[in-house]
Amino acid sequence: GNSVTQMEGPVTLSEEAFLTINCTYTATGYPSLFWYVQYPGEGLQLLLKATKADDKGSNKGFEATYRKETTSFHLEKGSVQVSDSAVYFCALGSSIQGAQKLVFGQGTRLTINP
Amino acid sequence: EAGVAQSPRYKIIEKRQSVAFWCNPISGHATLYWYQQILGQGPKLLIQFQNNGVVDDSQLPKDRFSAERLKGVDSTLKIQPAKLEDSAVYLCASSLRLGQSTYEQYFGPGTRLTVT
Repeated sequence: GNSVTQMEGPVTLSEEAFLTINCTYTATGYPSLFWYVQYPGEGLQLLLKATKADDKGSNKGFEATYRKETTSFHLEKGSVQVSDSAVYFCALGSSIQGAQKLVFGQGTRLTINP
Repeated sequence: EAGVAQSPRYKIIEKRQSVAFWCNPISGHATLYWYQQILGQGPKLLIQFQNNGVVDDSQLPKDRFSAERLKGVDSTLKIQPAKLEDSAVYLCASSLRLGQSTYEQYFGPGTRLTVT
């Protein structure tokens, strides 16, 4: 079945550091790929997405490229801020009966120190 | 636009008791999802509704969990009787469905259940 494996956390960085959170997947067919973020005390929010190979999703300075050859969707940001502290989830989406089904990775907790 | 509403936000019960969670999706969203998020893990889909019909409940422990979505709007998830391993955050999400297009899922804040 479909599955997602994320980089083990927690990750602690200093402000303005470069961020990479690794995500690899196993899937049949051609899934969509997502990064969700969960800020403290809040619900999951979609951060970015890519729907086909070589697509790049971007939002709020974060980027991720859908790499079919390496089955990866790594999240990157060039200069992190304290406000980026959150838990990040990589997810794989497939369509069943016209409705999206998501499979999530285990999450990576990111802490940014000033 | 109002988001997905869930209640209660927190619940503490003893094992073998029953509990119910309520979800009100975003207005007009035909698809509703319930997820279970155990501490340190990603959300796992329990059940998916399309209007008031079940699309996928393959990972719902049907001996103790049940869910309904009467009239295709609000939904209730029930656990009876609860076990210690049911301690988790229960997330509700909703999305539009128009024809065969799929849309982003919007998540509620979740209900944190502690079973003692």
